[in-house]
Amino acid sequence: NAGVTQTPKFQVLKTGQSMTLQCAQDMNHEYMSWYRQDPGMGLRLIHYSVGAGITDQGEVPNGYNVSRSTTEDFPLRLLSAAPSQTSVYFCASSYIAGSYNEQFFGPGTRLTVL
Amino acid sequence: DAKTTQPNSMESNEEEPVHLPCNHSTISGTDYIHWYRQLPSQGPEYVIHGLTSNVNNRMASLAIAEDRKSSTLILHRATLRDAAVYYCIPLNNNDMRFGAGTRLTVKP
Repeated sequence: NAGVTQTPKFQVLKTGQSMTLQCAQDMNHEYMSWYRQDPGMGLRLIHYSVGAGITDQGEVPNGYNVSRSTTEDFPLRLLSAAPSQTSVYFCASSYIAGSYNEQFFGPGTRLTVL
Repeated sequence: DAKTTQPNSMESNEEEPVHLPCNHSTISGTDYIHWYRQLPSQGPEYVIHGLTSNVNNRMASLAIAEDRKSSTLILHRATLRDAAVYYCIPLNNNDMRFGAGTRLTVKP
């Protein structure tokens, strides 16, 4: 298993540009989520999905869109990038939703918005 | 959401045990206590979790206070590879709230 994969590893955008961060998992996990981590801080939840076709907002959803058309993929779209979105983005998955489940994290995408 | 208090940093010598404390006095009865760690430039990695009883796995042990208001992650023999930020997370749903964690330094 490749686990949770994220592309790209690094990205530089100009203010106002849009882009999609890709996340995929090959573990047949129902639950997937996106977090951002600002320098020196813990992770904050952006959006999550409990299964294909179902998404919901986390703690900091503004400026981001998600969709879940397949079990494997959970892309994160930045509609109009702003410098405040400069961060490291992590995707995670777990077998099903629930507080007793281990979450698996991807290696992250480091995004800089100029 | 339950709030957590962890030391900002701790140091350990290689090959010695490490006890990482976490206070979560506002935890609810159904919150599982999860511990994750984050090595430099990597995503968080699951360490262990429990509800009421102490738990052991190949990585660590988790000791949970009887009143569940605190817990301690125990690394039995620290290695250089254990240098990381350790997060204690009471979890009731899927919204994992990461605090600042404890930065563990392991000295050779």
